[in-house]
Amino acid sequence: EAGVTQSPTHLIKTRGQQATLRCSPISGHTSVYWYQQALGLGLQFLLWYDEGEERNRGNFPPRFSGRQFPNYSSELNVNALELEDSALYLCASSSRDIVNQPQHFGDGTRLSIL
Amino acid sequence: KNQVEQSPQSLIILEGKNCTLQCNYTVSPFSNLRWYKQDTGRGPVSLTIMTFSENTKSNGRYTATLDADTKQSSLHITASQLSDSASYICVVSSGYSTLTFGKGTMLLVSP
Repeated sequence: EAGVTQSPTHLIKTRGQQATLRCSPISGHTSVYWYQQALGLGLQFLLWYDEGEERNRGNFPPRFSGRQFPNYSSELNVNALELEDSALYLCASSSRDIVNQPQHFGDGTRLSIL
Repeated sequence: KNQVEQSPQSLIILEGKNCTLQCNYTVSPFSNLRWYKQDTGRGPVSLTIMTFSENTKSNGRYTATLDADTKQSSLHITASQLSDSASYICVVSSGYSTLTFGKGTMLLVSP
């Protein structure tokens, strides 16, 4: 069974640019979650998509947005990049039974803002 | 406000020794508590999930305990190996969809 895959592995951008990160969940999983992990900090919840709809959003500005496609893959878009957006962005997938089932994480996209 | 506090922040132990990591939480309502292992440069991997009624759960050399009354959990690692060097993250689930993450304990196992 293929795990959660994320692309690209690394992404280098400059301030003000836009970044698009992609995630393919485990087959059969309908929920996709996005997290930001800045250096020295814990995982910060960004967005949760399920069945193509945004279900919940963390405390991040609107320039962080995303979508989920009919095949359950997902994109995270970050507009007007700022230096503090440099972080590891992790995607996780799960079945809708988040209470009892673990989230499966990808290995992340390392976003560096110059 | 839901919070998960982990201690110690970092820990160095000799290979073969045991260690215990702590997690205290103030999360309500409580659904379950999870421990994840995150190797450097990789995504977290689930070690255990415990519900309110479970006191102990093991996964190989990893044993997690939960005291729902005091809102404390611990992760005990037995006979540590170099591959145990990683960040260990405590996550508490609240209600249907809310997860609160601790900042993790960085463990270094030294030969």
